Amino acid sequence: EPEVTQTPSHQVTQMGQEVILRCVPISNHLYFYWYRQILGQKVEFLVSFYNNEISEKSEIFDDQFSVERPDGSNFTLKIRSTKLEDSAMYFCASSGTDVEAFFGQGTRLTVV
Amino acid sequence: GEDVEQSLFLSVREGDSSVINCTYTDSSSTYLYWYKQEPGAGLQLLTYIFSNMDMKQDQRLTVLLNKKDKHLSLRIADTQTGDSAIYFCAYSGAGSYQLTFGKGTKLSVIP
Repeated sequence: EPEVTQTPSHQVTQMGQEVILRCVPISNHLYFYWYRQILGQKVEFLVSFYNNEISEKSEIFDDQFSVERPDGSNFTLKIRSTKLEDSAMYFCASSGTDVEAFFGQGTRLTVV
Repeated sequence: GEDVEQSLFLSVREGDSSVINCTYTDSSSTYLYWYKQEPGAGLQLLTYIFSNMDMKQDQRLTVLLNKKDKHLSLRIADTQTGDSAIYFCAYSGAGSYQLTFGKGTKLSVIP
């Protein structure tokens, strides 16, 4: 069964460092998303991406964040200068339509 | 208040039915979803319902939607220990791709 895959599963980074989280969406999907879940809190929307551009973003997704689809298979989230409060589980998701979003297993980002 | 509200905990005995409830505020919601998250795992899409429907059944899962009261429920028949997880209610708004999630209901199944 096709699935969304994310790497790495756990990333530890120092405050102020840049980090790139990687995702391989399901191959025939057209819509891509990043969400995050701070420990013990709800899953929060960050950004959606369609047709090689951002279609929606939340107020969390500020200038420190960027997304890219560098080739036909990967979808990345970059955080330019990480802060302690960026520590969270980051989920990538993809959908073939705008209805069913399938999530990856997540990358746990720990900023120290 | 929160956009999506759910009880935080539910405990049921194996073999009983579980009912997880959710209320939401956005009357323009288009689709409503239930996701399951097992410990240390990602979010698994269980089922979804279009806002003009009031019920959807899929094997042991029954989703009920009361659009007037903005109330969504998920019933799991014959609950098994493998159903122990956190269940998230979510919706997407009209013309929007983003999902708004509740805080999740932790279902514990007692053998």
